[in-house]
Amino acid sequence: DAKTTQPPSMDCAEGRAANLPCNHSTISGNEYVYWYRQIHSQGPQYIIHGLKNNETNEMASLIITEDRKSSTLILPHATLRDTAVYYCISHQENAGNMLTFGGGTRLMVKP
Amino acid sequence: KAGVTQTPRYLIKTRGQQVTLSCSPISGHRSVSWYQQTPGQGLQFLFEYFSETQRNKGNFPGRFSGRQFSNSRSEMNVSTLELGDSALYLCASSLDWPSGRLLHTQYFGPGTRLTVL
Repeated sequence: DAKTTQPPSMDCAEGRAANLPCNHSTISGNEYVYWYRQIHSQGPQYIIHGLKNNETNEMASLIITEDRKSSTLILPHATLRDTAVYYCISHQENAGNMLTFGGGTRLMVKP
Repeated sequence: KAGVTQTPRYLIKTRGQQVTLSCSPISGHRSVSWYQQTPGQGLQFLFEYFSETQRNKGNFPGRFSGRQFSNSRSEMNVSTLELGDSALYLCASSLDWPSGRLLHTQYFGPGTRLTVL
């Protein structure tokens, strides 16, 4: 899996959009970009994933650059409950469950 | 439907002891994976079980072992505990194997926080 780089921390005002960047410049063509988050004292929670196209679900949107070297997770209207550590990882489909998370971005949503 | 449950949630042991952690997957899920999470190393894969057989193993010493029972419940054991084994141990369940076909089919439990003194 390609190495990903994320800022260690970010702040966001409640109700505003939170944009979390991730660099994955060595990602290969068959690796997906996955985002998970981990709220304190809980296990990681899947958010969204994508390969080339932008993706949206009920939790977030994922914007992947055309060269696939970076992506941005967007929480459109952040709430206090979105305060968590967000992990961006790259992973090949059919490559098993062997996840490896790095440091992630600690997002603090403030009132 | 109940989620993944792990017991105990917190554990304190001393160096040299051994510990057994338990994981009950979501009902109907047959694959269980274990991870170690530490501030320094992040989340690292330990092993994965399906149908009572270990399918994948991460890069951990032999002190770390596991097993899966016929009801899909899984246990992991760490023998001769070291200070560096202090971590959050996470269990994740998936419906089937190769469960990693799509990562988002994997659901994590709340973890067991192990402290080794």
